[in-house]
Formats: sequence, C-alpha cells, structure tokens
Amino acid sequence: GAGVSQTPSNKVTEKGKYVELRCDPISGHTALYWYRQSLGQGPEFLIYFQGTGAADDSGLPNDRFFAVRPEGSVSTLKIQRTERGDSAVYLCASSFDSLGAQYFGPGTRLTVL
Amino acid sequence: AQSVTQLDSHVSVSEGTPVLLRCNYSSSYSPSLFWYVQHPNKGLQLLLKYTSAATLVKGINGFEAEFKKSETSFHLTKPSAHMSDAAEYFCVVSDNTDKLIFGTGTRLQVFP
Repeated sequence: GAGVSQTPSNKVTEKGKYVELRCDPISGHTALYWYRQSLGQGPEFLIYFQGTGAADDSGLPNDRFFAVRPEGSVSTLKIQRTERGDSAVYLCASSFDSLGAQYFGPGTRLTVL
Repeated sequence: AQSVTQLDSHVSVSEGTPVLLRCNYSSSYSPSLFWYVQHPNKGLQLLLKYTSAATLVKGINGFEAEFKKSETSFHLTKPSAHMSDAAEYFCVVSDNTDKLIFGTGTRLQVFP
C-alpha cells in the first residue's frame, strides 16, 4: 500500500517568510510524528499527534513552530518568520498506535535564504 | 534520559565481508531499540526492532542485532556486505513513550 507522503519535496524561502509543510500518513495510522534532520545529524523529535490532538510537543524549538492535524489524518507543520537556522529536512512518520514501529516519509528539504 | 551513541561515524568494508555497526544505549527503563537505514534521497526504512523478546533480532536484508543488557549495546551485523547496503544507518532508542531518539548515524561504504 501507499506509504507516508510529504509535500513539497523541496521548499526554498526567504528569511522572515511563512511556510507550511504537509504530511499524509499511512491510512489507518492514528499516531503521527514530525522530526527535523539537520545536515550530518540524526533526526530530532518535534511533535507527536495521537488522533487530532498534539500529545507531545516538547520538541518544538520555539513558538514560531506550530503543527495541526484537524481531522486526525493529514498534518501540516507551520513555521512563521523563518530563519536561516530552520534550514533542514523535515520528516514525518506515522504508526498504527503510539508504541508501534514508525514509518517515515521521504521528507521536505527546507532551505531558508 | 534516553540516548544512543554510535561509535563509528564511518565504516568501510569490501563486498562479501562482514559488517559491524556499533551502538551503545542509555535508558532508565527497559528500552525499545531500533535500527533504521537511510539511502540517499530516500526515506528512513526500519531494519529491525527489539522490544524485550528474543535478544537476537533478525531484520530485513540479512541484518541482525543482538541486545546485550550487561554491555548496554545493540550492535548491527551482517555476514556478507552487498554493494546495495551502502547507506547511512541510525541506531534509535525509545523508552516506550512516543518519541524516538536517534544516534548521529554511521555511514557504511561498500567497496567492490
């Protein structure tokens, strides 16, 4: 079946702009996760949804970052007033439940000029 | 707090020779441990998962890992490397909550 998909695959923006990154999880997966992977590093946890609610947002670096999952399926990661340090690959993962194996999408490469 | 340490940033092997990628973990709880692989321009793929059942875990593509509590290790091995194994490998720990904690990765090169 279809895996996790993320759009866009690449996003180039200017410092100070607003961006939205989209994640479509595997159908039927109730848990959804966002991670950020900087160059040469392993992914770092940002936020986790169980259904529509954010169960753990402890990894969001500051209040410029926000994520939603209004219908318990697709999620959008929103970044306000982007900074050059936000440049990274943003990964989305989903799992059948909160303790299941997480399946990752291909990521969105964000470049802030 | 949970963490993992991947002891080698780069490993190079010849095709057909064994692979050993080393990982040590730190966890206050009985951890879940994973190995993920990331090929260039592709998403992270789960290789195998340990969750307190058998200590020797078999994964996809001939990889396996052994959980050793006394050594707090979870090394990844494969008897014979293939060219297609060249990729970045991540050791990952979870304390059975929501988030995965990734190591910094080991880049595996396979020479013909």
